Amino acid sequence: KAGVTQTPRYLIKTRGQQVTLSCSPISGHRSVSWYQQTPGQGLQFLFEYFSETQRNKGNFPGRFSGRQFSNSRSEMNVSTLELGDSALYLCASSQKVPGQGFSGANVLTFGAGSRLTVL
Amino acid sequence: KQEVTQIPAALSVPEGENLVLNCSFTDSAIYNLQWFRQDPGKGLTSLLLIQSSQREQTSGRLNASLDKSSGRSTLYIAASQPGDSATYLCAVPLAHSGSARQLTFGSGTQLTVLP
Repeated sequence: KAGVTQTPRYLIKTRGQQVTLSCSPISGHRSVSWYQQTPGQGLQFLFEYFSETQRNKGNFPGRFSGRQFSNSRSEMNVSTLELGDSALYLCASSQKVPGQGFSGANVLTFGAGSRLTVL
Repeated sequence: KQEVTQIPAALSVPEGENLVLNCSFTDSAIYNLQWFRQDPGKGLTSLLLIQSSQREQTSGRLNASLDKSSGRSTLYIAASQPGDSATYLCAVPLAHSGSARQLTFGSGTQLTVLP
C-alpha cells in the first residue's frame, strides 16, 4: 500500500515568488491535513480538507491557501514568499469515516514532507 | 488554548536502558493523544494512539499511558536500541475545533541511544 506522497521534496525560491506543493494521500483516505514545521515554532496546523472542502484552518495569513481535488489529492500554495516561510511542509492523510467524529480511524499518516527554502 | 509540553527536550542513554518520555497538556478535554516519531529530515511516523477512554496502549517495546485528569502522558521505551534514536512528539487534537485531525504538537524529545 503506497504511503502519502509529497512533491517536490526540496525546492528553493526567492522572496516574493509563489510556490505550490502537492500531496497524494493513501488510497481510500479522504481527509488531507497540512502542517508547517520550523525550528522556532515547531509543528503548526495549516488546514484540513475533506471532500474538496476546507474544514479547518490554522492561524496563518491569507497567503497560505490550498485545495483538494475529487481524487482527494491536495495542493497548497504560498504566495508572496517571505524568508520566514522557509520550513518543512508536511501533509497527512486520514481515513476519516463520516459520523465517527473524534473516534475511530483518525490516525494520521504523514508524508516525507516538502522542504522549502526562501532566499 | 491547548499547550503541549515535552520534557526533557533531549535525552541520551546507553543501549539497553529503559526510558520514559513525558508529555503534558493544559486542556484535559482531549479525545485522544498520539505519539509520533520523526527521523532527521523525514516525516512523522505514528507510534501509538490512545483514545480518551483508554489508559494505555502497547506496541512492541513501546507503552504509552494517558492520565487525562492530570494532563499527562508518558511513552515508555523498553530495552532501547540505537535504531530508536529520533525525535519523539506527542500531539492532541484541538478539542473545540470540530476536527480530530487538527493536532497541537509538543516540541518533541530528541532521543539518542548510544551503542
